[in-house]
Amino acid sequence: GQNIDQPTEMTATEGAIVQINCTYQTSGFNGLFWYQQHAGEAPTFLSYNVLDGLEEKGRFSSFLSRSKGYSYLLLKELQMKDSASYLCAVIDSNYQLIWGAGTKLIIKP
Amino acid sequence: DTAVSQTPKYLVTQMGNDKSIKCEQNLGHDTMYWYKQDSKKFLKIMFSYNNKELIINETVPNRFSPKSPDKAHLNLHINSLELGDSAVYFCASSLLNQGAYLVNEQFFGPGTRLTVL
Repeated sequence: GQNIDQPTEMTATEGAIVQINCTYQTSGFNGLFWYQQHAGEAPTFLSYNVLDGLEEKGRFSSFLSRSKGYSYLLLKELQMKDSASYLCAVIDSNYQLIWGAGTKLIIKP
Repeated sequence: DTAVSQTPKYLVTQMGNDKSIKCEQNLGHDTMYWYKQDSKKFLKIMFSYNNKELIINETVPNRFSPKSPDKAHLNLHINSLELGDSAVYFCASSLLNQGAYLVNEQFFGPGTRLTVL
């Protein structure tokens, strides 16, 4: 079956750095998305990776290793507003979008 | 201007009733989706339409019926509501690439919180 694994919850301190991991086993691969979802709100797009390596976008970076079926989202200089769930989603060979359950990130002062 | 809008935002109803949720996007996108997010926060795709044609129909009860009058609208009608239908329903839209329709990011509506009593 197809599977996306992410930690359920993580806690970090304001100003610090946190890495949220995502591992996937899917039938084929056509890219990986990271979305941010604040409580009670809709998911919003953060990044898309289809090639191996690191994509940097401001305080957020996303890394992909296709051979390992692995990605991570790196958040630097954490702010209280970064408290949210972070969803990993993979596009399989049929162009179906498979979603992880999300990682709830709690930022403490 | 809201890119993807849904109405209503909250919907509370009794078991057995029939209800509809409306979705509209003003982004000029070709493809629209309906998702269900349950209490465990899994986002599960239900339907996808491209230019008013159904392209994804996951295993959902046939009490759920999508309707797309034009490519800017995708409404969701639910018959005979059950307690297990309580969830947040998200509408989303994206551009379409030939043969790679989900590679474009999806834009989500604000969600409709459905509570069945």
